Order: sequence, then C-alpha cells, then structure tokens
Amino acid sequence: NAGVTQTPKFQVLKTGQSMTLQCAQDMNHNSMYWYRQDPGMGLRLIYYSASEGTTDKGEVPNGYNVSRLNKREFSLRLESAAPSQTSVYFCASSAQPNTEAFFGQGTRLTVV
Amino acid sequence: AQSVTQLDSQVPVFEEAPVELRCNYSSSVSVYLFWYVQYPNQGLQLLLKYLSGSTLVKGINGFEAEFNKSQTSFHLRKPSVHISDTAEYFCAVSDTNYGGATNKLIFGTGTLLAVQP
Repeated sequence: NAGVTQTPKFQVLKTGQSMTLQCAQDMNHNSMYWYRQDPGMGLRLIYYSASEGTTDKGEVPNGYNVSRLNKREFSLRLESAAPSQTSVYFCASSAQPNTEAFFGQGTRLTVV
Repeated sequence: AQSVTQLDSQVPVFEEAPVELRCNYSSSVSVYLFWYVQYPNQGLQLLLKYLSGSTLVKGINGFEAEFNKSQTSFHLRKPSVHISDTAEYFCAVSDTNYGGATNKLIFGTGTLLAVQP
C-alpha cells in the first residue's frame, strides 16, 4: 500500500525555470492538498482540491498553479521559479476535506 | 476563521521525563482536532485525533491528548519520553461541518521536542 507518492524527492532549479511536482494517492480519497514547509512557519496550504474537478487557493497560492488530473493525481506547477520558492513541498490526501490527512514523503526544492 | 497556536517552538526534555506540548485553537464552530509527528526528513504521520466522544484520546507511541472545550485546548502528553520521540509535532484543527467554508485542516507552526539523554 503506497499511500501518497510524490515525485521527485529532490530538485534544484534555476531562477525562472518551470517544473511540475507530481502527486498520486491510492486510497480513493476525495480531497488532495499541496503544502509548503519552511523553518519556523509550519505547514502552509498552497492549493487544495476538495473533490475531483475542483481546486481552490489556500494561504500562499501566488506563483503556483495546480491540476486535479483525476481522482488519484494532483500536480503542482511552478511556472517561473523564484528563490522564495525554495522549500519542502508536501502533498496530502484525505477522504473528506475535514478528516485526517495522509502525507507524502516530501519534495525538497532549491531555487538558485 | 479558525487558527491554531502552538506557543512553544521548542521543548527540551530529559529521557524518561514527562512532557506536555501545548495546543490552543480558535474557532466559532465545532471542531475536529489532530496531532501529527514529523521525524527528520520524513512526511507527517498521524499520532491521534479527536472527533467526538471521550475527551481523552490515546494515540500511537504512548501519547495521549485531552480536548478541553472551555479552554479551547488540545494538549499532547507523554508520561515518559524516549530519545526516539525527538521530532517535530504539529497540532491541526478542522471544521466538523463538511460543507463549511473552513472545511480543511489548519496546522499550527509546530513544536520541536528535543529529548536529551
């Protein structure tokens, strides 16, 4: 049982480059999320998808876009990476928006 | 809007001593409450959750938490910690109303539990 799988695990980008972080869950969950984690700031919600076909902005959406490709997959795109986007990114999923979330192992992104 | 406050950014404690990690929340509606643990270079893992019923909730690894509605708190406790408990701990809250405007998990900023020998 893989749970929530994120790829890649590590990535270094140059300022201005673009990339997509992939996330897939095999628990048949309705809701999926993207968070970023920075020292001293906890987890901040970037975007979420309460159910297939819907996406909503979270606390820090600027500079990001998302796609809920199907029920299993939820991707996060950085169109033009900036050093301020250096962070650890976590994907998570839950059966419903207000129930316990299951997390992936994270993607450590460095923008130089 | 809901919010979660973890006042202690770091809690140092000696091995086999008891520990309490504090969590207070703010909400105008009924809530679900969660504690997660994050070991170094890993994702978050659920420790325990309060949905309804008994206000004392037991979780994995000997942790427990008590929901106090009047004090809007959900403090995490362990009577005797081990070196292996060294990790970051996150408190989270959500709205019990599935269709509510704030129906998603809101996390605190985390507390680093540093267990010393």
